[in-house]
Amino acid sequence: QVQLQESGPGLLKPSGTLSLTCAVSGDSISNNNWWSWVRQTPGRGLEWIGEIHQSGNTNYNPSLKSRVTVSVDKSKNQFSLTLSSVTAADTALYYCAREASYGYSLGYWGQGTLVTVSS
Amino acid sequence: EIVLTQSPGTLSLSPGERATLSCRASQSVSSNRLAWYQQKPGQAPRLLIYGASSRATGIPDRFSGSGSGTDFTLTISRLEPEDFAVYYCQQYGGSALYTFGQGTKLEIK
Repeated sequence: QVQLQESGPGLLKPSGTLSLTCAVSGDSISNNNWWSWVRQTPGRGLEWIGEIHQSGNTNYNPSLKSRVTVSVDKSKNQFSLTLSSVTAADTALYYCAREASYGYSLGYWGQGTLVTVSS
Repeated sequence: EIVLTQSPGTLSLSPGERATLSCRASQSVSSNRLAWYQQKPGQAPRLLIYGASSRATGIPDRFSGSGSGTDFTLTISRLEPEDFAVYYCQQYGGSALYTFGQGTKLEIK
């Protein structure tokens, strides 16, 4: 079955750059699916960050677009998130996810990784 | 951007009872673009319902979704102990492709 696993530093300093990777197993990232990043905080709930297709096409949340890059590494069957100029407001549980086969929803999720921004 | 408002914020019920959760959109949502998720502590959200009323693979038939336009409902016909969790609605479309409601916590009474 499709499995996703996030990895990356758990602690960042303000103004730094957040970098996370999502390793995919049970599916090829080269298949015709969109791969997303979603974050969750107690205050803002679930917030979609952006997505990428194996073609390299991307879509981003306008509220984060100026700071976000999502990229794909087909050779490693993984995709990545980069978020620049982080502040305490970027402290969150970050999930990677894959769109459901039915479309318009997220059918597969990683377990999530907590990222804390603090000096 | 479409805003989803869920109610109630917390719902206290007993096992065996029927749960009705509401999701209201600030603008009309295409029915095939409305989904529901369940999230338990320490776990990622799990897709329950897509297209407003279709159950995802492996989801028990006590879960059902309905609605159209701006008003959508998730119903759990007879609550099992494992159903007590937080539930989110989600719509697809607009500038931020996926937007979520703030969640309804279903707790044991």
